[in-house]
Amino acid sequence: AQTVTQSQPEMSVQEAETVTLSCTYDTSESNYYLFWYKQPPSRQMILVIRQEAYKQQNATENRFSVNFQKAAKSFSLKISDSQLGDTAMYFCAFMYDYKLSFGAGTTVTVRA
Amino acid sequence: KAGVTQTPRYLIKTRGQQVTLSCSPISGHRSVSWYQQTPGQGLQFLFEYFSETQRNKGNFPGRFSGRQFSNSRSEMNVSTLELGDSALYLCASSRRSGTSTDTQYFGPGTRLTVL
Repeated sequence: AQTVTQSQPEMSVQEAETVTLSCTYDTSESNYYLFWYKQPPSRQMILVIRQEAYKQQNATENRFSVNFQKAAKSFSLKISDSQLGDTAMYFCAFMYDYKLSFGAGTTVTVRA
Repeated sequence: KAGVTQTPRYLIKTRGQQVTLSCSPISGHRSVSWYQQTPGQGLQFLFEYFSETQRNKGNFPGRFSGRQFSNSRSEMNVSTLELGDSALYLCASSRRSGTSTDTQYFGPGTRLTVL
């Protein structure tokens, strides 16, 4: 079974600053996908970024980037130039065999 | 392109009743997965349907069931509702093509309250 751990329940960041969310996972599989999703107060789950485990290059998506360390089973998300609209709960997710396993989430609050 | 749609958005039921939730995937997506989100247990995988067949199942009792139609739309049924079934039920669709496009995209969810 796969487990995903997000050790930071809450984080606060000033607008325009950078915040990094941590995520570790445990698996014996070698080919899998990793994702970060955000869930704003509307509760709509929105894809932020994805990473294929076989790719060594870290994924980036505009202001969002990841630091993927396969050997350490670590997958952190960096949000640069934080904006008020980034306020949400962020979930790290592991996918194998089309099944997503989620971490407990990190609530990110961006202060004006 | 239209996103994943779920109906109804809100439901209130009483213990012992049954409920059916519906999910329409993104056009061209053939896989539909269901997840339950509660404050205590977080996000948990219920099951996945692809080509009208259940391909994966999470650790939920048999009261939770589902099906998928030939147009890829899926329904989830919960029988003999319990208070603990109160949750946000999320549906997600993907192409299921064995490539990086296997990302799951979520619908807005159905909020079920059991009284």
